[in-house]
Amino acid sequence: DGGITQSPKYLFRKEGQNVTLSCEQNLNHDAMYWYRQDPGQGLRLIYYSQIVNDFQKGDIAEGYSVSREKKESFPLTVTSAQKNPTAFYLCASSTLREQETQYFGPGTRLLVL
Amino acid sequence: GQNIDQPTEMTATEGAIVQINCTYQTSGFNGLFWYQQHAGEAPTFLSYNVLDGLEEKGRFSSFLSRSKGYSYLLLKELQMKDSASYLCAAMDSNYQLIWGAGTKLIIKP
Repeated sequence: DGGITQSPKYLFRKEGQNVTLSCEQNLNHDAMYWYRQDPGQGLRLIYYSQIVNDFQKGDIAEGYSVSREKKESFPLTVTSAQKNPTAFYLCASSTLREQETQYFGPGTRLLVL
Repeated sequence: GQNIDQPTEMTATEGAIVQINCTYQTSGFNGLFWYQQHAGEAPTFLSYNVLDGLEEKGRFSSFLSRSKGYSYLLLKELQMKDSASYLCAAMDSNYQLIWGAGTKLIIKP
């Protein structure tokens, strides 16, 4: 079955630690996105990528980094510079022709210990 | 600036009809989306409007007025499983989605 997967479902981070969230899709989509969702707020774009080896900052990129070495994969690293990382992180993908239709992964909830 | 406004919470009765409103201000416009999100889960796509008017899809309908910067999602014959948050999002001229905070819909028996 085609789809988009994220792992882990829950992730715990210690102070000063970098953690990496996985996002994989087998939909053959060129574009991939990372969003952050906080209670009572809309989704906010962290980074997006429209092609392998290229990515763009979204509205809240500070404290995060990404890579796009393969079309299927778009991992997000939450660095120690992100002072308030506790949130629900959503990965999405789309075709370039239909960027309006984004398919979301199940999400990763990150908690700081 | 870019902004999406929608009510924080609404309550409705099983079997009834509810309308969730959304107003938007974006730099350019490439469509208005509605997503459903159950607690702790990812959003799922409901509808996309880019032209004025009403789009009907089963029990759900979505309306758009570009001149007013306004959309609504209409849910008919409400079921308990419709209890969820409904997210309104507008796509700007750069094809980026600007998201509202979501409307939590509570369905009562």
